[in-house]
Amino acid sequence: GAVVSQHPSWVICKSGTSVKIECRSLDFQATTMFWYRQFPKQSLMLMATSNEGSKATYEQGVEKDKFLINHASLTLSTLTVTSAHPEDSSFYICSATNPGLAFTYEQYFGPGTRLTVT
Amino acid sequence: GQNIDQPTEMTATEGAIVQINCTYQTSGFNGLFWYQQHAGEAPTFLSYNVLDGLEEKGRFSSFLSRSKGYSYLLLKELQMKDSASYLCAVMDSNYQLIWGAGTKLIIKP
Repeated sequence: GAVVSQHPSWVICKSGTSVKIECRSLDFQATTMFWYRQFPKQSLMLMATSNEGSKATYEQGVEKDKFLINHASLTLSTLTVTSAHPEDSSFYICSATNPGLAFTYEQYFGPGTRLTVT
Repeated sequence: GQNIDQPTEMTATEGAIVQINCTYQTSGFNGLFWYQQHAGEAPTFLSYNVLDGLEEKGRFSSFLSRSKGYSYLLLKELQMKDSASYLCAVMDSNYQLIWGAGTKLIIKP
């Protein structure tokens, strides 16, 4: 299998605080993980690609200093939303590819984290 | 630029057949994916096409024409649980997934 978990599944925080979201590959080692954001009724927007042991590659328009990504191990990547504002409220989804499978480019998605900033 | 087009919303009747189209213009092509996403949940993989033709998997089939930049997802014997958004995504030359906005499918009894 290729199971990806996320924690927390939902979080409410106050404006100006920071929130950390964890993404774990439970039964495989994920050398590459992806972080997406999805606003209501819109498609997935790739925020960054995270490779284990190296700095994340951010998509154009995504602030590196605001969305801190750490991929310190082959099974864990974290996304920290710093100084959160109400406009950061969104559904954050991570995914991972499993290099151990024959088809290595399929992305396995975590269940998502709904962030609400008040 | 890169572009994926699919209808915003479709409605179909339980037990019927529905075809969701997707057209794309991307820098390079390394395959096309279809994902299903229920409201408030993460996407789940449905199919992957990299060669022209039809791939059948149970009630779901996916077709690809690379020369036309076109794909469709065919759902047969529709069930109420098929009500969801269906996302078309193309993997470009850098192996990045370019996502369409999704098609919301509403199934009526």
